[in-house]
Amino acid sequence: DAKTTQPTSMDCAEGRAANLPCNHSTISGNEYVYWYRQIHSQGPQYIIHGLKNNETNEMASLIITEDRKSSTLILPHATLRDTAVYYCSASTGTASKLTFGTGTRLQVTL
Amino acid sequence: GAVVSQHPSRVICKSGTSVKIECRSLDFQATTMFWYRQFPKQSLMLMATSNEGSKATYEQGVEKDKFLINHASLTLSTLTVTSAHPEDSSFYICGCFGQPGELFFGEGSRLTVL
Repeated sequence: DAKTTQPTSMDCAEGRAANLPCNHSTISGNEYVYWYRQIHSQGPQYIIHGLKNNETNEMASLIITEDRKSSTLILPHATLRDTAVYYCSASTGTASKLTFGTGTRLQVTL
Repeated sequence: GAVVSQHPSRVICKSGTSVKIECRSLDFQATTMFWYRQFPKQSLMLMATSNEGSKATYEQGVEKDKFLINHASLTLSTLTVTSAHPEDSSFYICGCFGQPGELFFGEGSRLTVL
């Protein structure tokens, strides 16, 4: 599994875009980039995943660099409910295990 | 979307007893389920990969005789913490793939060993 590196914490004003970076320089060609978030005392919530192309869903956008060594999760209009720990990970998907790094603690403020 | 359910959500037990945690995939079949453990203010640590109809694969440093995993059907995996001790107190989480590539997690089970 590719090792991922994320900043420990970030702040974002409510209503503004939150841009969370992740470095995965050792990612292999068949590994997807996954993003999850965990709100205190709950199981992780799936956000988005991608292989090469940028992806967007109702929750967020995922921007993956052309060399696939890093990515950015974008929450376009952060709300207080987006305060959580965000984890970036890499996996080949389906039956392959997914491991978590230390994550980024995002604090959305008024 | 896919739903994964865990039971119980909270359990308190005495030291030396065994505790069983269930993980169910509610609207899809999961041949593989993953078990994680999370200590306060730490990340999720993968404990083992549970495979339907075969033995689980444990991560390095996880005692297979301490944490018994059974995956008897395509919708149910169980984790039994045997002879639990206070240091086993933790948040245990299971996960499995629903739609291709989407790993969904249960709500977690908080174990407190007195």
